[in-house]
Amino acid sequence: DGGITQSPKYLFRKEGQNVTLSCEQNLNHDAMYWYRQDPGQGLRLIYYSQIVNDFQKGDIAEGYSVSREKKESFPLTVTSAQKNPTAFYLCASSSLADTDTQYFGPGTRLTVL
Amino acid sequence: RKEVEQDPGPFNVPEGATVAFNCTYSNSASQSFFWYRQDCRKEPKLLMSVYSSGNEDGRFTAQLNRASQYISLLIRDSKLSDSATYLCVVPNMDTGRRALTFGSGTRLQVQP
Repeated sequence: DGGITQSPKYLFRKEGQNVTLSCEQNLNHDAMYWYRQDPGQGLRLIYYSQIVNDFQKGDIAEGYSVSREKKESFPLTVTSAQKNPTAFYLCASSSLADTDTQYFGPGTRLTVL
Repeated sequence: RKEVEQDPGPFNVPEGATVAFNCTYSNSASQSFFWYRQDCRKEPKLLMSVYSSGNEDGRFTAQLNRASQYISLLIRDSKLSDSATYLCVVPNMDTGRRALTFGSGTRLQVQP
C-alpha cells in the first residue's frame, strides 16, 4: 500500500532533551513537509523540502532541524531550544507538479514532561 | 488580518440539517482553495477543491466568492459521521514556495 507513515504515534520527552520524529513515504513524492498543530489551531509549517539534500524553513522553524538524505525520508528533530514543543506534529508529501494536494501521515503527538 | 480566517464554532446541528461554513482569505491573488476534514486527533484529509466558482460532490458544495474573498462549504442532509473539524486551506503565494496555509478550523457536531 502506498502511503506516508510517522512514528512513534505518541512520544514523551523530558525538558532539555532532543527528540527525532520519523516520516517515511513510498508515494515517490519529491516534496515533503512538516507541520505543527496546537489545540484549536490550524497547521503551521515548520520546514519543507522539494528535493533530496535541500530543505527550506517554514513559518516556525526556530528550535527544529530536519534532514533529507533520501527521497523517502524526512525526519524532524525537536531540539531543546524549542520553547513550547508539546504539540501534534504532521508530516505531509506531494508531487512537485501538484503541491496543492498534500497527503498527510497519521501524526505524532509529542508531550514534554 | 489573518491569511485565512474561520469561525471556530462549534456548530451543533441535528441529523438531516443543512449547515454552512464560511472562510475568508486575505490574498486576492489566490487561485485555488481547499476544504480538508480532520477527525479528532487524526490527520487532515482532503474533502474538496475549489478552482473556479464552485464544486459539488454529493451532499457537499463548496462555493467561491472572489469579490468578497470568501469560500463556503455547504453540507446537506447532515449525518452523524459528518462530525469533525473542517479546515479551510489556501496555497501560500510566496514566490518559490509552495505550501498550504490552514485556517484554524470550524468544528461541526451533528446530533441524533
